Formats: sequence, structure tokens, C-alpha cells
Amino acid sequence: DTGVSQDPRHKITKRGQNVTFRCDPISEHNRLYWYRQTLGQGPEFLTYFQNEAQLEKSRLLSDRFSAERPKGSFSTLEIQRTEQGDSAMYLCASSLEAGGTDTQYFGPGTRLTVL
Amino acid sequence: QQPVQSPQAVILREGEDAVINCSSSKALYSVHWYRQKHGEAPVFLMILLKGGEQKGHDKISASFNEKKQQSSLYLTASQLSYSGTYFCGTVLINAGNNRKLIWGLGTSLAVNP
Repeated sequence: DTGVSQDPRHKITKRGQNVTFRCDPISEHNRLYWYRQTLGQGPEFLTYFQNEAQLEKSRLLSDRFSAERPKGSFSTLEIQRTEQGDSAMYLCASSLEAGGTDTQYFGPGTRLTVL
Repeated sequence: QQPVQSPQAVILREGEDAVINCSSSKALYSVHWYRQKHGEAPVFLMILLKGGEQKGHDKISASFNEKKQQSSLYLTASQLSYSGTYFCGTVLINAGNNRKLIWGLGTSLAVNP
């Protein structure tokens, strides 16, 4: 257990529905990352926050995806009008970026299945 | 910008050694190594911050050759528990002077009895 938690752990939804995932990082960490991972692939970067500011969003990410970190603590990732191609493991990681290290600690992930 | 890992896959018998390499076309400021077991999230192994640095715990160690812009992960006398996918990550500084970890594609390691 790294101290990063994600909720829910599993989500099954029908195509076209909206889903929201939550990530609670390690409390003193200022950075929070969202990744997507499919079987046999490495984590694909989606977006990241430093405190409450969203510093970068992947160009591959459609506008159906949105993320927030309103108070610089927990974060939510929302996917609107889900598609079958959105089925994946969604990973959250947090880090205390200092001096170029950015060591990330991952949560257990949320597995999304879109039917 | 993405670091390149080699080999893509390794199959070992328990007790054998392996080396996984990670190289970059850009200058490396630090190198991170993670391991991911099937169905689980990646787990941090170690970070190397300076050229020439070597680190290790248990029988897994790594080195960082800043000049060659590469790092190597050494697994000695492999155990069944070493099986998984190993990722290296390198820190990239973007246009906004923010540092971000960029991941390699991973090396799949299978240790058989």
C-alpha cells in the first residue's frame, strides 16, 4: 500500500454513460498524475496537476475527458459519453516534485469496462 | 523523447541474471525504475540522480551513465518474484520549465522455476 487510494476499484458501464473516478494522493504530495493503461502496454499519460493547477493535458485526450483537483488534494477524472475504447485501467500517481526527482507512487487503479 | 528500453522481453530460469537497458536521446537528469506485476499498479524500485551513481537493494541494482545517456538495471540470481514488467522513466523539462517523468515502453521479465 503506497498511501494513494482510488475509488472505485472497478466500474462497469454502458456505452454513452458518464463515469467519474476519484484519487486521494499522499497528503504532502504536490503533484498528481492520471494515466491510462491497457493490457500489455505501459502507462499512457493523460494529465497532471501541481497543487490545484493542471499543468499539462495529453494531446491524445479527447474533450470527453476532464480532470479537476479543486483544493490541491484529491482529484477526479470524468469521462463523458463513454466508448468501448475507453475500457482500460486508470491509474493515479502522486509525487513530491523536488529537485528534478518526481518519484511517483501509484494507487491501485480503477478498472473501467464499457459494454 | 521517450526513453528506449531493451530488450523488450526476457525469459529466465530461477537463479539466472539479467540486464535491462534504458537509453535516451536527450540529456538525462535522473532515471527512475519501476516494476509492475500483472494486474497491479507500478511500484517504485529506485532512482538514480547523478552520473556514475549505482544503487541497489536485495539483488536488484542499477547504474547511471550520464555521458552515454543510459541506465542499466541488473537482476542477479533472479527469483520467481522478480517476474513482471520493468519500466524506466526519465525526467523531461518542458517549455514551462516543469519537470515530468517520461516512461519507456517496458521490458517484460518472466522467471521460471
